[in-house]
Amino acid sequence: AQKITQTQPGMFVQEKEAVTLDCTYDTSDPSYGLFWYKQPSSGEMIFLIYQGSYDQQNATEGRYSLNFQKARKSANLVISASQLGDSAMYFCAMREGPGGGADGLTFGKGTHLIIQP
Amino acid sequence: SQTIHQWPATLVQPVGSPLSLECTVEGTSNPNLYWYRQAAGRGLQLLFYSVGIGQISSEVPQNLSASRPQDRQFILSSKKLLLSDSGFYLCAWSVPKVGDPQYFGAGTRLSVL
Repeated sequence: AQKITQTQPGMFVQEKEAVTLDCTYDTSDPSYGLFWYKQPSSGEMIFLIYQGSYDQQNATEGRYSLNFQKARKSANLVISASQLGDSAMYFCAMREGPGGGADGLTFGKGTHLIIQP
Repeated sequence: SQTIHQWPATLVQPVGSPLSLECTVEGTSNPNLYWYRQAAGRGLQLLFYSVGIGQISSEVPQNLSASRPQDRQFILSSKKLLLSDSGFYLCAWSVPKVGDPQYFGAGTRLSVL
């Protein structure tokens, strides 16, 4: 079974609208971390936001917020007031375990977001 | 501030030729280092990680190897490339601290012909 599932291969959104990118995960480890990365056409992976499994509040970073629903094993990324520069691939990733070590990330297949003017 | 350098940016190699991709990190000491591969239109797959000089862990058995000769240098190698080695290779670093993300280099696009 896939550990990270992103069900939206592609999305078209009008500029200035809010965007929700879906991510569900599967783990039996009580300690884990969830990450979102942006990959523009240049290829570089850009870290956006992090949510720990024990964090009580949803993470926020500027226009990015993470809608963390632990019981549903869901960690959706919300981008408010989308901009043309938000057009990119977006990846959800998970680290299993408490962290602090060299734990590799498991990535989903990504969502290709296109912002239209 | 910390930076990560990865080169070359693009590489075209014939089947059977050797490979050496290099990654260096500046501005931090004793980072965890990682090599990932991304197939076209897919997510990243962890290949190797390292917690210190000479310490390499392999996640996927394959035609590649990794080495860490210095604290902030990570090298991905192959003695004989296969067609299936084509892809986008990304190096990343992190500090051993809970919640800290992995930060990625710009990547190397490898085409094996």
